[in-house]
Amino acid sequence: QQPVQSPQAVILREGEDAVINCSSSKALYSVHWYRQKHGEAPVFLMILLKGGEQKGHEKISASFNEKKQQSSLYLTASQLSYSGTYFCGTESYRGSTLGRLYFGRGTQLTVWP
Amino acid sequence: NAGVTQTPKFRILKIGQSMTLQCAQDMNHNYMYWYRQDPGMGLKLIYYSVGAGITDKGEVPNGYNVSRSTTEDFPLRLELAAPSQTSVYFCASSYVPPGTGELFFGEGSRLTVL
Repeated sequence: QQPVQSPQAVILREGEDAVINCSSSKALYSVHWYRQKHGEAPVFLMILLKGGEQKGHEKISASFNEKKQQSSLYLTASQLSYSGTYFCGTESYRGSTLGRLYFGRGTQLTVWP
Repeated sequence: NAGVTQTPKFRILKIGQSMTLQCAQDMNHNYMYWYRQDPGMGLKLIYYSVGAGITDKGEVPNGYNVSRSTTEDFPLRLELAAPSQTSVYFCASSYVPPGTGELFFGEGSRLTVL
């Protein structure tokens, strides 16, 4: 049930935009996005719930297409601090599998000055 | 503001040895989780707990055991360590079920089995 992320890696110049995609073969209830810097713990960015709208925080936003079982993370005017590995996590359904958040393999984003 | 605290940060084990990774949180979160992270593979859920005394298996539970006697602590036990258990282990907690809220991660425990 691991979601598939693309691309695997992105290299950007400061100020450029990037899109990271996350897709699942199962119907999704929620999609989560985390960023992890090298040697550190993952840090929560945002969560998108079924029926919810596009979320955003400053220059990082995300969308959730329930019909296509896909989510995209948009990084606008990237900054050096955006560098890291981005993970999407998906929850397919509730009930007896409460607590099972499946993470993708990650997308490594590198921003150069 | 301790958050989620994991110990030890680094450990080297010999094949067949056993050890316990400690995890404690001071946020009064009901939900706690253990993930392992292998290079290029993302995070895999080992075990999770929805409250004291209640635990359940995740995706990759074989070779591990957990207990949850208090709200604060969620130790992960490795029995008969194998090289395949070489990984970085993250403990996490949340106030609400993960589908609706943020997971707070500890700094990780890097384990090498030789």
